[in-house]
Amino acid sequence: NAGVTQTPKFQVLKTGQSMTLQCAQDMNHNSMYWYRQDPGMGLRLIYYSASEGTTDKGEVPNGYNVSRLNKREFSLRLESAAPSQTSVYFCASSFDATGGYNSPLHFGNGTRLTVT
Amino acid sequence: SQQGEEDPQALSIQEGENATMNCSYKTSINNLQWYRQNSGRGLVHLILIRSNEREKHSGRLRVTLDTSKKSSSLLITASRAADTASYFCATEAYYGNNRLAFGKGNQVVVIP
Repeated sequence: NAGVTQTPKFQVLKTGQSMTLQCAQDMNHNSMYWYRQDPGMGLRLIYYSASEGTTDKGEVPNGYNVSRLNKREFSLRLESAAPSQTSVYFCASSFDATGGYNSPLHFGNGTRLTVT
Repeated sequence: SQQGEEDPQALSIQEGENATMNCSYKTSINNLQWYRQNSGRGLVHLILIRSNEREKHSGRLRVTLDTSKKSSSLLITASRAADTASYFCATEAYYGNNRLAFGKGNQVVVIP
C-alpha cells in the first residue's frame, strides 16, 4: 500500500503564480486534511474534508482553496502565491468519519514549496 | 491556546539510554496523540491516548496522561540511533473546534 501520496515533492513559484498540490490515499479513509509546517510553528490546519463533497476551513485557510474530488483525492490550490506561503505542506487522512481526531492521522511525505 | 508544548525541546542521549519528553496543554481534551517525524518525511503516528486512560504502551514506547496536571509524557526505552527524530504531541480539545493542535516538536538525537 502506498498510503498517502503527495505530488509534487518540491516546487518553486514566483509571487502571483498559481498551482495545485495533489494528494491521494488508498486506505479507504473518510477524512482528509491539509496542514502547513513552518519552523517554530508546529503544524497548522489549512482545510479539512470529513467526506466526499464536504470541506471546511481550518486555522489558516486564507489564500487557499481545496477540492475533495472523490473519496481518495483532496487537492490544495494556491490561486496567487505569496512569499508567506513558503512552507512544507502535508496532506493527511484518517478513518474518522466526522473530520475529527478519534483515529490516527496518516501523513504524506510533504511538498516543499518556495515562493520568491 | 490549546497547542501542546513539548519539553525539553531538544534532547541528546546515548544509544541504549531511555528518553523522556513531556507535553503540556491548556484545556480539557478528548485525546492526546504522539507523532514522530524523521528528517524530510511526514509525521508517523505513535500512540493515541484517550482522556479516560492513564497509560498506554506500544513496543518500546510508554505514554502517560495526567489530565489533572494537563500533561503527558512519552518514554522511549533502550533508544536506538533510528529513534533520532522530532516528536510531536497533539491534542484534540474536548470542546472541539475540529482542530488537532500540534506542539512545536521535540528534537531527539540518539548517539550511536
